[in-house]
Amino acid sequence: DTAVSQTPKYLVTQMGNDKSIKCEQNLGHDTMYWYKQDSKKFLKIMFSYNNKELIINETVPNRFSPKSPDKAHLNLHINSLELGDSAVYFCASSQDHGVQGYTFGSGTRLTVV
Amino acid sequence: GENVEQHPSTLSVQEGDSAVIKCTYSDSASNYFPWYKQELGKRPQLIIDIRSNVGEKKDQRIAVTLNKTAKHFSLHITETQPEDSAVYFCAANIPGNQFYFGTGTSLTVIP
Repeated sequence: DTAVSQTPKYLVTQMGNDKSIKCEQNLGHDTMYWYKQDSKKFLKIMFSYNNKELIINETVPNRFSPKSPDKAHLNLHINSLELGDSAVYFCASSQDHGVQGYTFGSGTRLTVV
Repeated sequence: GENVEQHPSTLSVQEGDSAVIKCTYSDSASNYFPWYKQELGKRPQLIIDIRSNVGEKKDQRIAVTLNKTAKHFSLHITETQPEDSAVYFCAANIPGNQFYFGTGTSLTVIP
């Protein structure tokens, strides 16, 4: 049983398209996150979300939007994709804002051409 | 918010030698400090963590130390093996808030 699962694992798409990445966790955690990892391996927080609060990193373009149908899912929608959006996107989850660490998904490698 | 700095960005050691990675943080409210290992093409995985009420923690060949006064913490890997080669991330957590990750250290263990 995969604790945090993301789909798809790879995504190649053209500039200007709209795409979604899905994330599901079966750990019963109350908080989920999206991170962007660029070519230099920096892990940048994009969003954190629990039942009550969405926290958005102010540097994230509004073309990116999280959608949470329920506590176990946090999907990432990206509109009007740009070349600079190419990166690996990691979903993660935690309990109580990470007091026992994060569990990461396997990542989605997005390539915009 | 918190600012976490990590050094060095790259580190090469001979197999069997020790490796040390250092991190500093800025917010004294941070009280939880995990370390993640990311192998090539894989997800970051928690390898060890330490809380602010502890100065040192050890798990087999890896250990973490914390100096709250100086606001720095370090990862120590002894008797390094080729499978230790990976990118290592430190992080700091303020209660009720997100993690703040360091910029990563690419460790290469030379056989």
